[in-house]
Amino acid sequence: NAGVMQNPRHLVRRRGQEARLRCSPMKGHSHVYWYRQLPEEGLKFMVYLQKENIIDESGMPKERFSAEFPKEGPSILRIQQVVRGDSAAYFCASSRDTTDTQYFGPGTRLTVL
Amino acid sequence: AQSVTQLDSQVPVFEEAPVELRCNYSSSVSVYLFWYVQYPNQGLQLLLKYLSGSTLVKGINGFEAEFNKSQTSFHLRKPSVHISDTAEYFCAVSARAGNQFYFGTGTSLTVIP
Repeated sequence: NAGVMQNPRHLVRRRGQEARLRCSPMKGHSHVYWYRQLPEEGLKFMVYLQKENIIDESGMPKERFSAEFPKEGPSILRIQQVVRGDSAAYFCASSRDTTDTQYFGPGTRLTVL
Repeated sequence: AQSVTQLDSQVPVFEEAPVELRCNYSSSVSVYLFWYVQYPNQGLQLLLKYLSGSTLVKGINGFEAEFNKSQTSFHLRKPSVHISDTAEYFCAVSARAGNQFYFGTGTSLTVIP
C-alpha cells in the first residue's frame, strides 16, 4: 500500500507566480489535511478536506490560498501571487476518518525567489 | 482548542545513552497523543500514539512514551540511542472528536558518537 504522495518535492517560484501543490492520499483514505512548516517551527494546520468538500479551513490565510479535493484526482493546494513569506515546507496527511491516525507525505518544499 | 509544548528545542546525547524528550499538552477535552520523527528533508513518520488503554505506549525503533493525565504530559523515551536517531521529533495532540493535529515546535535530537 503506497503511502501519501506529494509532488513536486521541490518547487521554486518567483514572487507573483502561482504555486500548485498536489497530494494523493493513501488508498482507502478519504480525508486530507494540509499543514505548513515554516523554518525552525512546528507544523501548523491549514485545511481539512473530504472528497469535494472543505470541512475546516480555519488555518488557511484568507487571501491567495485555496484548496480542493475533487471527486477524481489528487488534492490541490494553490497559492496565488506567491510572496517570499510563503517559502516553507507544505505537508499533506490523510486518514480513513477523523478518529484515525494521520499519515504524512514527504512534503513539498516551496522556495519563493 | 489544544496546544502542545515541547520544553527542549535541542537535546544532545551521547550514543548508547538514554534520552527523554519532554512534551506537555493542554486541552479541555479528551485527546489522542502522538510522536512523529522527521529526518532531514523528509516527511513525518509516526513513532507511536496513545489513543486509550495502557498509559505506556511502545513504538518503533525502541521508543516508548508514557501518558500522564494528571501532569498532562506525554514524554518520549529511549533507553539507548543510536546515531541513526538523530532527527527532529514532534509531539502532537488531537481532540478525540476533532480533526486537527496541533504540533509542538519540535525537539532536535543529536546523537554524538
